[in-house]
Amino acid sequence: AAGVIQSPRHLIKEKRETATLKCYPIPRHDTVYWYQQGPGQDPQFLISFYEKMQSDKGSIPDRFSAQQFSDYHSELNMSSLELGDSALYFCASSPPNFSQETQYFGPGTRLLVL
Amino acid sequence: AQTVTQSQPEMSVQEAETVTLSCTYDTSESDYYLFWYKQPPSRQMILVIRQEAYKQQNATENRFSVNFQKAAKSFSLKISDSQLGDAAMYFCTLAQGGSEKLVFGKGTKLTVNP
Repeated sequence: AAGVIQSPRHLIKEKRETATLKCYPIPRHDTVYWYQQGPGQDPQFLISFYEKMQSDKGSIPDRFSAQQFSDYHSELNMSSLELGDSALYFCASSPPNFSQETQYFGPGTRLLVL
Repeated sequence: AQTVTQSQPEMSVQEAETVTLSCTYDTSESDYYLFWYKQPPSRQMILVIRQEAYKQQNATENRFSVNFQKAAKSFSLKISDSQLGDAAMYFCTLAQGGSEKLVFGKGTKLTVNP
């Protein structure tokens, strides 16, 4: 079965640079979520999109923005990168009728900021 | 606000034996869902089991089962016949109906000894 695809899988950036993370949800899934997991920490919710509209927002820095496109893929744009942004970034997707299903996670993008 | 508490940072079990991971949560909503996710060293986030709060029957998935005590807001995970491949970080997770974002506990690192 198709899974959530994230690209790139690994990314190395310098401080103050920008980064773009991409997420391709499971086919027919209409909701996408972004989570950030720092080293040794639990994942923290950043933002979610339902049918291309932002549906919920968590602890996402103002330097970050995201959107969901017409084909349901999503991109997380990160600017003015800081050392503390080094983390594993997960994308998850869920199908319609959340009450019947759950979130399926991609493999994550490992971002290292030097 | 929703919170999830895992009081056991680390647990260990002998191969083929049974282990129970504890989790308590707090939410003011009546419509919510509980999940256990597993994160092996690869750091992939894998769904283990889910429980809808409105269901009284405890969920089971092969060797994995939960003890859901709604009044006590407790949601423990039992792993029977533990296998080496069960070694991972286990996250207890709460999703509030209508909000959808996952709130994670701090995790329990499970070691399986041969």
